[in-house]
Amino acid sequence: NAGVTQTPKFRVLKTGQSMTLLCAQDMNHEYMYWYRQDPGMGLRLIHYSVGEGTTAKGEVPDGYNVSRLKKQNFLLGLESAAPSQTSVYFCASSLGDFTTDTQYFGPGTRLTVL
Amino acid sequence: DQQVKQNSPSLSVQEGRISILNCDYTNSMFDYFLWYKKYPAEGPTFLISISSIKDKNEDGRFTVFLNKSAKHLSLHIVPSQPGDSAVYFCAAAGNTGGFKTIFGAGTRLFVKA
Repeated sequence: NAGVTQTPKFRVLKTGQSMTLLCAQDMNHEYMYWYRQDPGMGLRLIHYSVGEGTTAKGEVPDGYNVSRLKKQNFLLGLESAAPSQTSVYFCASSLGDFTTDTQYFGPGTRLTVL
Repeated sequence: DQQVKQNSPSLSVQEGRISILNCDYTNSMFDYFLWYKKYPAEGPTFLISISSIKDKNEDGRFTVFLNKSAKHLSLHIVPSQPGDSAVYFCAAAGNTGGFKTIFGAGTRLFVKA
């Protein structure tokens, strides 16, 4: 049982390049989330999903797209990376919503945009 | 506008003593409050939570207190252990106006042996 895994762990991009971050969970969780963490700030919710085939915007969705084609995977895409997107990205999953179930986090992806 | 604030960036405590981490929030519509612990190079892990209808929740060495009138919550760790050294995030969650979880910036706890 691997829990929540994230691929890749590190990445350096040039401004304007695109990439996709993959999050996978093997706990059969319905809810999945993408957060970013910047120095001196708390985690901020980018997008989330309440089930396969669904996505919704969080607090800071601009510049990102997501897809949840399979229940176990939640992809975060950057179509045209900008230096402001340099951050550590965390994926999380939970069985139900925050009122009933714990969020389990992945180890993070450190992204640098030059 | 920071809706959830952890005003102490760091805290140092002697092993065996009490650690008190504080968190203030501004939005009275939050339904649920959570504490997460984070070690370097790892994701946050859930520690303890409290519903807005309660004022205290206890789990072993960890107790969370909620003072709604003051919009303040605190995490007490008794007794503190060196393995508790980590960054602690408080978070407030609610469904009003859309699903929302707002995290504080974190407090780094050092527990000295």
